Amino acid sequence: KAGVTQTPRYLIKTRGQQVTLSCSPISGHRSVSWYQQTPGQGLQFLFEYFSETQRNKGNFPGRFSGRQFSNSRSEMNVSTLELGDSALYLCASSSWGTGANVLTFGAGSRLTVL
Amino acid sequence: DQQVKQNSPSLSVQEGRISILNCDYTNSMFDYFLWYKKYPAEGPTFLISISSIKDKNEDGRFTVFLNKSAKHLSLHIVPSQPGDSAVYFCAAWSGGSNYKLTFGKGTLLTVNP
Repeated sequence: KAGVTQTPRYLIKTRGQQVTLSCSPISGHRSVSWYQQTPGQGLQFLFEYFSETQRNKGNFPGRFSGRQFSNSRSEMNVSTLELGDSALYLCASSSWGTGANVLTFGAGSRLTVL
Repeated sequence: DQQVKQNSPSLSVQEGRISILNCDYTNSMFDYFLWYKKYPAEGPTFLISISSIKDKNEDGRFTVFLNKSAKHLSLHIVPSQPGDSAVYFCAAWSGGSNYKLTFGKGTLLTVNP
């Protein structure tokens, strides 16, 4: 069973540019979550999508947005990049059925903003 | 407001000894807790979890203990192996329609041969 696939794995952008990251969840998983990891800050929740609907959003500015497609694949976009947006962006998928769920993470997209 | 706290940024132990990683939480609504392990250049991988109705869960060398009254959980690794060297994240879920895990900042475990 294929895992969570994130593309691209590494990318470098300059301030003011925008970036789009892609995530393909595990087959059958309809929930996709995005997290930002920066040194010393752990994993910060960005948003969660289920069946193309955003069900929860973290405390990030509106420059961070996402969407989910009918095949459950998801993208996140960051506009007007700032130096502080340099981070590892992690996508995770889950079935989010009844009860607690385990998130399965991808390897991440490492974004560097110069 | 950091609701899940891992107060030790790093921990170093000898191979074969016990590793104890600690986690404290402040949100009494959390009812399910997970530990993830993360190697560099990889995503976090699920290790073990525990429901708030239990106080202990064991899986091989890994045991998680939950003390609800103290809002504290710990991960014990016995015996520790060099391959266990990684960053360990504690995470919590508050159930309902929250749909998100709240993570601590992580503890870097180094197991020395």
